[in-house]
Amino acid sequence: AQRVTQPEKLLSVFKGAPVELKCNYSYSGSPELFWYVQYSRQRLQLLLRHISRESIKGFTADLNKGETSFHLKKPFAQEEDSAMYYCALSQYSGAGSYQLTFGKGTKLSVIP
Amino acid sequence: EPEVTQTPSHQVTQMGQEVILRCVPISNHLYFYWYRQILGQKVEFLVSFYNNEISEKSEIFDDQFSVERPDGSNFTLKIRSTKLEDSAMYFCASSETKFPGGSGNTIYFGEGSWLTVV
Repeated sequence: AQRVTQPEKLLSVFKGAPVELKCNYSYSGSPELFWYVQYSRQRLQLLLRHISRESIKGFTADLNKGETSFHLKKPFAQEEDSAMYYCALSQYSGAGSYQLTFGKGTKLSVIP
Repeated sequence: EPEVTQTPSHQVTQMGQEVILRCVPISNHLYFYWYRQILGQKVEFLVSFYNNEISEKSEIFDDQFSVERPDGSNFTLKIRSTKLEDSAMYFCASSETKFPGGSGNTIYFGEGSWLTVV
């Protein structure tokens, strides 16, 4: 069965420090992975997806199939990065549909 | 940029009452979803909907829940006989593509509807 694990519930870093939010997954197929961000009481927003290999708001994430990881990184944290971050795995659920399985999330707190 | 919109943003209801949460998906999207997030917990899948029928549902989505697309724009979640444990943020989402893969394989979420059952 597919599973997404985010081992840290809370991560506190100082402004300007590097950030790494960990995500590990287990999935029998070929995974598609995403990072979503949720600012306080706002909607879930797509931050980035592994197939795009893009950098959004300074964040990057590389899919490591050998380690089954998709860690989110940013070299210099900003106060506005404080939010909940969810790693998610896309799975084909048949009948022409798919769904996301979310990890439990990591709350990033950037200390001024 | 097109957005998924949800109403109400917050609803308080008495235990045992029926609640309808409304969503307007992005106009050219064909797949619709409801997710739930209990305070302090992770986001959980409830149901997916395509071509006017449920594609898949989770164990959470029991007979208490139902979904409907009453017209060309709205997508609703009905919760009958609400319980205290139904208190959560309910997110509607929509997506354009049918199959996984490709840059369009993304779910877009609404801002959510807070449901408080008292």
